[in-house]
Amino acid sequence: AQSVTQLDSQVPVFEEAPVELRCNYSSSVSVYLFWYVQYPNQGLQLLLKYLSGSTLVKGINGFEAEFNKSQTSFHLRKPSVHISDTAEYFCAVSDPSSGSARQLTFGSGTQLTVLP
Amino acid sequence: ETGVTQTPRHLVMGMTNKKSLKCEQHLGHNAMYWYKQSAKKPLELMFVYSLEERVENNSVPSRFSPECPNSSHLFLHLHTLQPEDSALYLCASSQDMGRGSYGYTFGSGTRLTVV
Repeated sequence: AQSVTQLDSQVPVFEEAPVELRCNYSSSVSVYLFWYVQYPNQGLQLLLKYLSGSTLVKGINGFEAEFNKSQTSFHLRKPSVHISDTAEYFCAVSDPSSGSARQLTFGSGTQLTVLP
Repeated sequence: ETGVTQTPRHLVMGMTNKKSLKCEQHLGHNAMYWYKQSAKKPLELMFVYSLEERVENNSVPSRFSPECPNSSHLFLHLHTLQPEDSALYLCASSQDMGRGSYGYTFGSGTRLTVV
């Protein structure tokens, strides 16, 4: 079964600074990868996804992520954060070759707090 | 209305009550899910309905009972809940292509408090 590790449970960063949220997954087979954002008292919103093709994926709100197959990582980055980026971020993986292919496995989340 | 809609947004219930959570999707998706999100815990998959077939997490207590009358509607029936069942319950939908998930669309959730 797939597993997803988000190495940092909390990341504080000052406004306009760059940020990287780390995500590693367990399998080296072909996978689909996702980042979701959750604002307080809201559901999860898709930021970006990697299905195939270019390893650098651009998403909404200026975020991007890079798929690194050899390191089984999918880290999320933003060059300059805003106060409004304060939220919880979830990495998720789907394995197209597994019997439960329709399901996503989520990481435990990283709380990003942008400080003024 | 578009997307995934969950009602109610907030629910407070006693341990002897029976209530239901409702989820409706207007995306034409063929799979729907219930997730439980508790504070400081990972998202827990509770139930999956894909092409009207049900898959469940065997660790979910029987006091939670799902119902999926069609591909657009999903319910979670609740009875004799415990205080530890207090959490945010999230509904999601996706288009099940039979080979990997292209991602879910989530509703805003129902914040459940059991007193």
